[in-house]
Amino acid sequence: DVKVTQSSRYLVKRTGEKVFLECVQDMDHENMFWYRQDPGLGLRLIYFSYDVKMKEKGDIPEGYSVSREKKERFSLILESASTNQTSMYLCASSPGNRGDQPQHFGDGTRLSIL
Amino acid sequence: GENVEQHPSTLSVQEGDSAVIKCTYSDSASNYFPWYKQELGKRPQLIIDIRSNVGEKKDQRIAVTLNKTAKHFSLHITETQPEDSAVYFCAASGGYSTLTFGKGTMLLVSP
Repeated sequence: DVKVTQSSRYLVKRTGEKVFLECVQDMDHENMFWYRQDPGLGLRLIYFSYDVKMKEKGDIPEGYSVSREKKERFSLILESASTNQTSMYLCASSPGNRGDQPQHFGDGTRLSIL
Repeated sequence: GENVEQHPSTLSVQEGDSAVIKCTYSDSASNYFPWYKQELGKRPQLIIDIRSNVGEKKDQRIAVTLNKTAKHFSLHITETQPEDSAVYFCAASGGYSTLTFGKGTMLLVSP
């Protein structure tokens, strides 16, 4: 069974802080994704990576960056946290490059910026 | 890019009734359409998916239909049970194995 693990379930930070959200998958998947989930807006893609050291912007990349130094780990970075980045953050992974494989999600990190 | 519209945003049914959730997509190149169920406080979990070479797929009480010409696909749940209550998301594939999600449907099944 695919296991996607996010480092924290809940996180509280202050405005202006640099925030790191970590995600690890154990199925040797090539693709990894970061989403934010807000009520009524569904899941919106922030960044994704299809290989080590590769990253691509999603639909809402502003204020975020990512790092993928190892295949199993994908980090989301809030360079200078702001209150409008308070949200649920979900990490996902999927295999291969055919585009017809399901994504597997972690449990999410509920981030509050005060 | 891809745009996915999902309706309705909320759906209330009585236990035993059927529920239908509909999605439309904009990119004719999309070829993969998964459906996810998210219970309160939990991760989205894949419940069924369909690829563009198939028109319909069933798994026990759930089924998905795809109309490529009209660019819409639907989730059908029969004999609903209270444990079916959750938020359901449709999605359509894009480039680089990405998915574009609909905004979700909150399904409430009353006993």
